[in-house]
Amino acid sequence: DTGVSQNPRHKITKRGQNVTFRCDPISEHNRLYWYRQTLGQGPEFLTYFQNEAQLEKSRLLSDRFSAERPKGSFSTLEIQRTEQGDSAMYLCASSRDLDRRPETQYFGPGTRLLVL
Amino acid sequence: GENVEQHPSTLSVQEGDSAVIKCTYSDSASNYFPWYKQELGKRPQLIIDIRSNVGEKKDQRIAVTLNKTAKHFSLHITETQPEDSAVYFCAASIRGTYKYIFGTGTRLKVLA
Repeated sequence: DTGVSQNPRHKITKRGQNVTFRCDPISEHNRLYWYRQTLGQGPEFLTYFQNEAQLEKSRLLSDRFSAERPKGSFSTLEIQRTEQGDSAMYLCASSRDLDRRPETQYFGPGTRLLVL
Repeated sequence: GENVEQHPSTLSVQEGDSAVIKCTYSDSASNYFPWYKQELGKRPQLIIDIRSNVGEKKDQRIAVTLNKTAKHFSLHITETQPEDSAVYFCAASIRGTYKYIFGTGTRLKVLA
């Protein structure tokens, strides 16, 4: 499967614990995005990378959230001291930069987080 | 601020009828408009997209129209089939960052 992959697919944790999610984008894609989706809503932008550089972070991304893409390939999203309000589907998407114009973002299957 | 409104939130049609979903965006810097289909528990899948220099695009039973002046775009599905039942999201890509601002989704039910 050469699509975007995410691990784990499901995560149940207790409030106050830290969690980390991984995203592996399509191999030639240099842009990687993280979105959060709650039930009945559209995905909300969290942050994005061009290669290894994190270029924008949403106001939704509190200081408990941190994302990295150390070698410009896979990315991790860590949530520290989780809260019940963090329960959501975390989606990763990737795209290829062509001539500095927007290109199609391909989504991974998501990681569903439940904070008890 | 950046915002995309989508209507209706739910839509039921008889098999074979057409379905139309409408979106309005706020940021005039938006220049790319994809539509995604999301089935329950699955990832969003691109079904069609349109760039700001084009007014209409068609792919078999699916078409998208864009009115830049009014800042709205619409998805048209003709000859609907039960497998078209899903949640559909419109999105607008903001020039510069290329992030997507999504609408709130339309749950389409095609009744056999």
